[in-house]
Amino acid sequence: QKEVEQNSGPLSVPEGAIASLNCTYSDRVSQSFFWYRQYSGKSPELIMSIYSNGDKEDGRFTAQLNKASQYVSLLIRDSQPSDSATYLCASSGGGADGLTFGKGTHLIIQP
Amino acid sequence: DAGVIQSPRHEVTEMGQEVTLRCKPISGHNSLFWYRQTMMRGLELLIYFNNNVPIDDSGMPEDRFSAKMPNASFSTLKIQPSEPRDSAVYFCASSPGVHEQYFGPGTRLTVT
Repeated sequence: QKEVEQNSGPLSVPEGAIASLNCTYSDRVSQSFFWYRQYSGKSPELIMSIYSNGDKEDGRFTAQLNKASQYVSLLIRDSQPSDSATYLCASSGGGADGLTFGKGTHLIIQP
Repeated sequence: DAGVIQSPRHEVTEMGQEVTLRCKPISGHNSLFWYRQTMMRGLELLIYFNNNVPIDDSGMPEDRFSAKMPNASFSTLKIQPSEPRDSAVYFCASSPGVHEQYFGPGTRLTVT
C-alpha cells in the first residue's frame, strides 16, 4: 500500500529563518512529487512539483528529491507569518494518476 | 480563467438521505479527481477520470458512493444513503493530463 509520511508538527520557526519540511514515501515506483499548502478551512494549493533527483528552486521555495532514500523535502527561505499553514506532501506514479497524500505538517512562523 | 468550481459549498443532511456533489473542472483539463478529507484519515483519493472515463475507483469506500462524468465540463459524486461517517470535506481537482492537480474550494458535508 502506498504511504506518504510526514511529521504532523507543529513546527515553529521564527520569522526570517529557514523552514525545513520533510516527507518519506513507501512506493518505489512513485515518479512525481508535490508540495501543497493548505490554510485552515481552505483547499490545497500547489506550490512546488519535482520529478527528478536534486533540487528545484522557485522564489523562496526549494524542493529536494532523493529517490534512493525515498525522501522529499521543502525549504522555505525568509519565512513570513503568511507561510503559516499546513504543508501536504504528495506522490503519484506518474502520468495522470491520483495523488497519495501525507497527513501534513503544521507550520507556524513566529513574528 | 476560472478555477475548479464545486457546489454546494456546504451541505447538511440527515442520515439516509441522498447527497449529490457537483464539480466543473478547469476548461481544457482532461483529468478529474475526487478526494475526501477528514481529520483522522487526511486527504484520500476516491476516484479519478481521464477523458470522462473512470480509471480507478478503488478508493470509493462503499457501494453507497458513485461518481459520473457525463461530459468534459461536469462531474457528480453521489452518496445514497448517506451516513454520519460520511461527514467530511469533499474536494474535486482537475489536471491538464499529467502531473499537477488543481483543487476546487471543496464541499463541507455534514450528515446528522
